[in-house]
Formats: sequence, C-alpha cells, structure tokens
Amino acid sequence: DVKVTQSSRYLVKRTGEKVFLECVQDMDHENMFWYRQDPGLGLRLIYFSYDVKMKEKGDIPEGYSVSREKKERFSLILESASTNQTSMYLCASSPLGAGDRNTIYFGEGSWLTVV
Amino acid sequence: AQSVSQHNHHVILSEAASLELGCNYSYGGTVNLFWYVQYPGQHLQLLLKYFSGDPLVKGIKGFEAEFIKSKFSFNLRKPSVQWSDTAEYFCAVNGNFGNEKLTFGTGTRLTIIP
Repeated sequence: DVKVTQSSRYLVKRTGEKVFLECVQDMDHENMFWYRQDPGLGLRLIYFSYDVKMKEKGDIPEGYSVSREKKERFSLILESASTNQTSMYLCASSPLGAGDRNTIYFGEGSWLTVV
Repeated sequence: AQSVSQHNHHVILSEAASLELGCNYSYGGTVNLFWYVQYPGQHLQLLLKYFSGDPLVKGIKGFEAEFIKSKFSFNLRKPSVQWSDTAEYFCAVNGNFGNEKLTFGTGTRLTIIP
C-alpha cells in the first residue's frame, strides 16, 4: 500500500511564527502536492512538484513556499503564519504516468491552528 | 483553466434510498476523472476513477459513476445507501498527461439517517 505520512496531525502556532509541515511518501512517486481543505471550498492546490528541486505554484501559493530536496520528501513552509492560514493541510503523491497510473494518494492531513 | 462543479453541498437521505451526486467539469482536453471520499476523521480515499474505455465505472462499496462526455459530467451513484456512507465526497479532474495537477470540486456532504 502507498503510504503518505505527514509528520504532525495537530499543530497550534502563533501569528508570525515560521511553520514547517513535512511529508514523506514511500512509493518512489515523482509528483507531490500540498493542498489545503476548508469547509465549503473543497481542496485547493497550494504547490506541487514533479521532480526533486522542482516546484510549481498551484491555485493559492501566496504566503507559502515549498522545498523538495529529496524525492520522497516535500515540505510546506509558512514563512510568517497568519490566522487565515488556519486550515487542514493535505499532502499527496502520485506516479508520473498517464492513464491508470494517474492516481493521487493522500496523507491523513495536518490540522494547523494559528492564534 | 480546469474547474469542477458539485452542485449539491449537503444531501440527506434515509438508509436504502438511492443516491446520485452531480459533478460537472470544465477542461479542454482528454481527462481523468475521480471521486474521492472522506469519512469522518479519516483521510481522503479513492472511490473510483475513469481514464478511458467503458464510461460506466464501478468502484468500492457499491458505488459507480458514469462519464458523459457530451455533458461534461461524471455523476456518482449508489442504488441503496447505508448509514456507513455518511461522509464527504469530492469529484476531481486532471489532464491525461502524467504530471497534471488534480482540481477538486467543493465537495458534497452526505448524511444518511438510519
């Protein structure tokens, strides 16, 4: 089974703090993603990466950055956390390939509260 | 830009009722289509997917979905729901090129009354 592991399930941070959310996948997938999930808004893509050291902005990249130094690890960074970044953050990975291979696997999510 | 619309925000059904959740997408090319489910307190799980071939796809737990290209739709169905189907359901689309981002709808919350 594909396993996508997010290091923290629940975090509480103060406004202005730098926050790191870590994600590791064990299936040698090329693609990795960070989404945030908010009630009534569904899942919105923050950043994605299709190779080591490569990153692409998603739909809502403002206030976030990412790092992918190793294939299996994709980190989301909030440089200066704000209360409107309180949300559930989901990491995902998928193999590079069309058709049936094109399935994204999700981690369990990290609940971040910024106070 | 690709987009997904799920028109039902919250659906309430009694057990054994039939279910149909709507999903319409916008994308200018060959698509892959997905339904994901999130049970309370759990992570997102793949329910079913369509990438080519038979437009009627069957997934886990008795769910199925039909891809109607002319209507840009991929509705989810189940003939008889159970209390354990209470969850949030997300439709998603991406292009069929291998490194395409997945775009989600806003989700439909399904509540099944015993």
